[in-house]
Amino acid sequence: GDSVTQMEGPVTLSEEAFLTINCTYTATGYPSLFWYVQYPGEGLQLLLKATKADDKGSNKGFEATYRKETTSFHLEKGSVQVSDSAVYFCALSFILQGAQKLVFGQGTRLTINP
Amino acid sequence: DTGVSQDPRHKITKRGQNVTFRCDPISEHNRLYWYRQTLGQGPEFLTYFQNEAQLEKSRLLSDRFSAERPKGSFSTLEIQRTEQGDSAMYLCASSLGGDRYGYTFGSGTRLTVV
Repeated sequence: GDSVTQMEGPVTLSEEAFLTINCTYTATGYPSLFWYVQYPGEGLQLLLKATKADDKGSNKGFEATYRKETTSFHLEKGSVQVSDSAVYFCALSFILQGAQKLVFGQGTRLTINP
Repeated sequence: DTGVSQDPRHKITKRGQNVTFRCDPISEHNRLYWYRQTLGQGPEFLTYFQNEAQLEKSRLLSDRFSAERPKGSFSTLEIQRTEQGDSAMYLCASSLGGDRYGYTFGSGTRLTVV
């Protein structure tokens, strides 16, 4: 079935460092792709999305490009801040028997030190 | 509109007791989803409603679990005869429909079975 594999964490960086969190997917069709962020004790917040190949999603300085040829959707940010510390989830969305589902990766915990 | 609301935020119960959680989606969203997230993992799909109709249930949802959305607005998730393995964060999400839209998640209900 469809699945998402994320870079294992935890990831620890210094403030203003460059961030990459790798995400690859397996899908039989052409899913939409998402990055969600989860702050401690909270639910998931949509960070960015891309709905077709070569689309670039961006938000709050984060970017990810939908690469069909490499089945990837890596998350990047040029200069991270302490406030970016959270768990990041890559996800794909597909339709099965009329139901729309999200399939998530296992999450990558990011810690930014001042 | 303040987003997706879930109640309670935390629930501690003794093994064997029944618990019920409530989710109030964004008012114009006709799709509602329940997911379960265990520690260190990404959320897993449990069930899905389009308006009041429950269109799909995951095999993760045993006979002890039941979900309703009686008037196509709020939803409840009940767990009967709780077990320690039911301890998790239960997340509700809603969407307008179409997998091109991101889902809006609530803050979740954290269940601890002792």
